[in-house]
Amino acid sequence: EAQVTQNPRYLITVTGKKLTVTCSQNMNHEYMSWYRQDPGLGLRQIYYSMNVEVTDKGDVPEGYKVSRKEKRNFPLILESPSPNQTSLYFCASRTGTSGSSSYEQYFGPGTRLTVT
Amino acid sequence: GDSVTQMEGPVTLSEEAFLTINCTYTATGYPSLFWYVQYPGEGLQLLLKATKADDKGSNKGFEATYRKETTSFHLEKGSVQVSDSAVYFCALRKAGTALIFGKGTTLSVSS
Repeated sequence: EAQVTQNPRYLITVTGKKLTVTCSQNMNHEYMSWYRQDPGLGLRQIYYSMNVEVTDKGDVPEGYKVSRKEKRNFPLILESPSPNQTSLYFCASRTGTSGSSSYEQYFGPGTRLTVT
Repeated sequence: GDSVTQMEGPVTLSEEAFLTINCTYTATGYPSLFWYVQYPGEGLQLLLKATKADDKGSNKGFEATYRKETTSFHLEKGSVQVSDSAVYFCALRKAGTALIFGKGTTLSVSS
């Protein structure tokens, strides 16, 4: 089954304790990205990757890191989490790094992060 | 820059009522337009899309028509069901760029 998986689904942590949220896709997609979803703000892109070893900032990258060492995996790293990073996080992937704008983007189930 | 504006929610309807969720966009060039749906506790799923002016996307009884003259992509359904209760996101994308989402509209359908 084609899917994007994220782990963990729920995480409660304390300020400053480094954490990683994993993301994996089994569709051989070149493009992967991370979003955060906050009430009244919709989804905002954090980082994206056009392919292995190619990453770039989205709209709200501060406080986050990513890496793309393998095509299927795109972990999100919070080196020193703060309470304003409490949010619902989604990983997504799609085929096609350029050309058509119509490719469907597939989303993971989400990771609800609480930073106290 | 490019942007998407959706009607504010929540939208509360009775089963079998007609649904419209308004979406307008601002973009240069020729974006593709999308509606995504997020059911409680789940990620976003593509509901329908349209890639050029006057295209109509449709799925599961939902429809939306790409209107370039009014820069709109309103979502409609003739008869909603309780199972349609979800958050709906309008989005656009141009070639080589990221998806840009509206803020989402919560739909609640009661029986």
